Amino acid sequence: QVQLQESGPGLVKPSQTLSLTCIVSGGSISSGGSYWSWIRQPPGKGLEWIAYIYYSGSTSYNPSLKSRVTISVDTSKNQFSLELSSVTAADTAVYYCVREEWSCANGVCSGQFDPWGQGTLVTVSS
Amino acid sequence: DIVMTQSPDSLAVSLGERATINCKSSQSVLLSSNNKNYLSWYQQKPGQPPKLLIHWASTRESGVPDRFSGSGSGTDFTLTISSLQAEDVAVYYCQQYASTARSFGQGTKVEIK
Repeated sequence: QVQLQESGPGLVKPSQTLSLTCIVSGGSISSGGSYWSWIRQPPGKGLEWIAYIYYSGSTSYNPSLKSRVTISVDTSKNQFSLELSSVTAADTAVYYCVREEWSCANGVCSGQFDPWGQGTLVTVSS
Repeated sequence: DIVMTQSPDSLAVSLGERATINCKSSQSVLLSSNNKNYLSWYQQKPGQPPKLLIHWASTRESGVPDRFSGSGSGTDFTLTISSLQAEDVAVYYCQQYASTARSFGQGTKVEIK
């Protein structure tokens, strides 16, 4: 089955750019029917959806983060990536890469976030 | 963008009693083209990623106990745990997928009284 694994620095300095990559295994990112998302969770707090990308390159962003976020996909490496610029301590969180799988029944479709990567804690600190 | 607001932020319920969580969206998540509410409920236990319980506001996922039920339409939704079990201690999130910009509620923590 599909598995996702985040990679990237665990510590980023304020004002710098946070960069994470998600490697997808057990399935092709280009197979369609799924959006590939980043979701974060500050310690002890709730979930915040950041962005998604389709294998074709189509994207959607959280309006509150849009000016600082870039999501990209590399189908040849079966991975997708996140860049978040001008980070502050408020960006400290566990970052999850997640598949949003769409399935249809009787012509009506629904999406679900599954599976999730294990999550990677990124701390913003000097 | 659609803002999701849950209430309460936390609740403590005795074992075997009912737990009710509310979720309100700033815009309707009901799609007129198919009459489906694009709203899901997730359960997150400590140290784990969230698990999908319900989609289309009221359709339970396979394997989810029938004590979990979802209801509501348009902008107001409810997740009910009919008889709280110890293993239901978790944080519950509603999430909309009606908009291309997805969003979650802030979460409701359910504990045992």
